[in-house]
Amino acid sequence: DIQMTQSPSSLSASVGDRVTITCRASQDIKQYLNWYQQKPGKAPNLLISPASTLHTGVPSRFSGSGSGTDFTLTISTLQPEDFATYYCQQNFGTPPTFGGGTKVAI
Amino acid sequence: QVQLVESGGGVVQPGGSLRLSCTASGFTFTTHAINWVRQAPGKGPEWVAIISNAGTNSHYVDSVKGRFTISRDNSKNTVYLQMSNLSAEDTAKYYCVRDQDDFGDYTFDFWGQGTLVTVSS
Repeated sequence: DIQMTQSPSSLSASVGDRVTITCRASQDIKQYLNWYQQKPGKAPNLLISPASTLHTGVPSRFSGSGSGTDFTLTISTLQPEDFATYYCQQNFGTPPTFGGGTKVAI
Repeated sequence: QVQLVESGGGVVQPGGSLRLSCTASGFTFTTHAINWVRQAPGKGPEWVAIISNAGTNSHYVDSVKGRFTISRDNSKNTVYLQMSNLSAEDTAKYYCVRDQDDFGDYTFDFWGQGTLVTVSS
């Protein structure tokens, strides 16, 4: 199985900050990389798929980049509603696998 | 709007069985594969199973092969997950998740709110 490693596992930030989360795959996954946001008690929501394409309705302050094994999710100007846990997920191989998550907190 | 509503979760003893259901609305059900993804308390999501749009193909994560069966009834817009020989490691919230494609894309574009399965004596 392809292992997905996210860093950091958590971070503290303030409204207005620029936030960057990284995700590394254990093998080349081309650009088959998705990002999700999950708020407490809620289901994850798709943010970016693949790699750098925003899902419908996702604000433009979110962006994704990378290919191969190294990927980045950036929030350009953190808003109050962005405090959540973010997961990367590869859909290059079966089974699809998720990273361990990055919690963005105040 | 796309809606996926899960039901059937609950508390079950180790070795027991449970059947989850997921009823979909707001989109053309027969054009999308459906997945089950679970999330143990405090952990990240884990993909469990997928069934193709027509119900003719399915895949499972190794840890549930031989114990879980995914099926669908396109006349009822419903997907099922039959779970047997359950263990504590299966304790999680189980999400019904729409696949972006008809099979095997594994981009999870809409999620239900989940149903909680607790395996405990």
